[in-house]
Amino acid sequence: DAGVIQSPRHEVTEMGQEVTLRCKPISGHDYLFWYRQTMMRGLELLIYFNNNVPIDDSGMPEDRFSAKMPNASFSTLKIQPSEPRDSAVYFCASSSWDRGHEQYFGPGTRLTVT
Amino acid sequence: AQSVTQPDIHITVSEGASLELRCNYSYGATPYLFWYVQSPGQGLQLLLKYFSGDTLVQGIKGFEAEFKRSQSSFNLRKPSVHWSDAAEYFCAVGAGNTDKLIFGTGTRLQVFP
Repeated sequence: DAGVIQSPRHEVTEMGQEVTLRCKPISGHDYLFWYRQTMMRGLELLIYFNNNVPIDDSGMPEDRFSAKMPNASFSTLKIQPSEPRDSAVYFCASSSWDRGHEQYFGPGTRLTVT
Repeated sequence: AQSVTQPDIHITVSEGASLELRCNYSYGATPYLFWYVQSPGQGLQLLLKYFSGDTLVQGIKGFEAEFKRSQSSFNLRKPSVHWSDAAEYFCAVGAGNTDKLIFGTGTRLQVFP
């Protein structure tokens, strides 16, 4: 199993640009989670999906952030327009209903907005 | 509401010494409990988990944790720490009525040779 795959691993962009982060969950998993990690705020849950449907987006910081899951094997997190305070590491994780809440994390995307 | 507390932000131990990282949770029923480890520049890796049954659980890399309901704790232990164990450790709790995990703020472990 390849595990959770995220791309790109690193992204550097200028303020005001659109940023799209990508995630491929583990095959067969029906939950997908997007997290953000910063030194100041730690690990924050942004949004999660079950069977491709968004369940809880209460952690999405503002309207500049959006997430989609068009099918079971792909999800995107988009920031438009990006701001320097969005600089962070963004993690995607997936899990399966029959494994309790055991989540498997991807390697993360380090985003730097200048 | 569920919550997780990791009271130690930073711990330093010598290589070969024993280790205990503390985790306390708040939840009315028996929760699902996890320990994750994050090495620098890496994602979170599951070390071990407790769902039910034996309260002492074994994980990868020689780690173990004990669920103590009376103390609402799930402390992580290792009898002899290796330099490669230097990382950040996160405790997390899940519950049957939600699909989310609640993570603690993490404990950074530093290992001196």
